[in-house]
Amino acid sequence: GNSVTQMEGPVTLSEEAFLTINCTYTATGYPSLFWYVQYPGEGLQLLLKATKADDKGSNKGFEATYRKETTSFHLEKGSVQVSDSAVYFCALSDPKADGLTFGKGTHLIIQP
Amino acid sequence: NAGVTQTPKFRILKIGQSMTLQCAQDMNHNYMYWYRQDPGMGLKLIYYSVGAGITDKGEVPNGYNVSRSTTEDFPLRLELAAPSQTSVYFCASTQDGGYFWQPQHFGDGTRLSIL
Repeated sequence: GNSVTQMEGPVTLSEEAFLTINCTYTATGYPSLFWYVQYPGEGLQLLLKATKADDKGSNKGFEATYRKETTSFHLEKGSVQVSDSAVYFCALSDPKADGLTFGKGTHLIIQP
Repeated sequence: NAGVTQTPKFRILKIGQSMTLQCAQDMNHNYMYWYRQDPGMGLKLIYYSVGAGITDKGEVPNGYNVSRSTTEDFPLRLELAAPSQTSVYFCASTQDGGYFWQPQHFGDGTRLSIL
């Protein structure tokens, strides 16, 4: 079956630091890949997505590239802000599966 | 722009009680989903629906039931609440889940505690 593995948290960084959150996946088909963000007390919001190999998704300064050869979709941001503090979920969608398959989430804490 | 609306936001139940978690979307989406989120875990799919009158089980359906009488509403029912069902429940929708590259839109969740 499908699975998503992402780095354990919490990840604590200082403001303006560089961010990488690792995500790797296992899928039977050719999935689409997503990063969702969850702010405290809220539901999940789509941050970015990529639908085929070598696609780069980007939004709000965050980027992730769909690497089929390494089955990875790492999230990066060049300079984080306190407002980026949230839980980040990597997820995949596969035409042979129902719904999204999620990683466990990475809690990101940005200190001023 | 309401999107996906879930009610209630919080609820405490006693073991053996029943309740219905409500979910409504105003985007005319065909596909709707129920997930549960346990602490430190990703979301797990409970049930989903591809349209009015059609529902199917996800990864963790035991202890739950769903119905889909309209495009807009997708309630989740717990018949005999158990402590293992303590979780945060999220409803989501997408226009056409057959186009799997489309993102899902999530509600703000219902935090349920079974004591």
